[in-house]
Amino acid sequence: GDSVTQMEGPVTLSEEAFLTINCTYTATGYPSLFWYVQYPGEGLQLLLKATKADDKGSNKGFEATYRKETTSFHLEKGSVQVSDSAVYFCALSDLVQGAQKLVFGQGTRLTINP
Amino acid sequence: ETGVTQTPRHLVMGMTNKKSLKCEQHLGHNAMYWYKQSAKKPLELMFVYNFKEQTENNSVPSRFSPECPNSSHLFLHLHTLQPEDSALYLCASSQIPSSGRKHTQYFGPGTRLTVL
Repeated sequence: GDSVTQMEGPVTLSEEAFLTINCTYTATGYPSLFWYVQYPGEGLQLLLKATKADDKGSNKGFEATYRKETTSFHLEKGSVQVSDSAVYFCALSDLVQGAQKLVFGQGTRLTINP
Repeated sequence: ETGVTQTPRHLVMGMTNKKSLKCEQHLGHNAMYWYKQSAKKPLELMFVYNFKEQTENNSVPSRFSPECPNSSHLFLHLHTLQPEDSALYLCASSQIPSSGRKHTQYFGPGTRLTVL
């Protein structure tokens, strides 16, 4: 079945450092790809998405490019802030009987120190 | 604020109790979902409702019983739970386009459930 593998956490960086969180996937079809973020005590928020190969999703300084040849969707940010501390989930979508089914990675906890 | 609300935010219950979790979406969506988030495990899809019809039950034990009275409300009825059912329960909704293309799910803040 479909699956998503994320970089093991936790990840700890200093403020203004460069961030990469790796994500690779396996899928039988042609999925859409997502990054969700979960701040402490909250639910998941959509951070960015890409629906086809070579698409780049971006939001709040974060970017990820849909790479079909390497089945990857790595999350990057050039200069992280303390407020970026959260858990980040990579996910792919599949359609099951007309409803979207999301398959999530295990999540990567990111801590940014001032 | 994503337009999806969940109540209660926190719930502690004994194994013999019966309780219900409520989810409401204010986005006009036509599909709703329940997920379970346990420590150190990926999010697990539990149930999917598409136009109020349950289209997926992901091998969830019968002590979890969903109800979707209309496209804006989703409930998860709980009875005789086990301590290992303690987790964050997340509700999500999405709009399924008639074209069948994939679409985005929006999540509520979750209910943190503790079973004693």
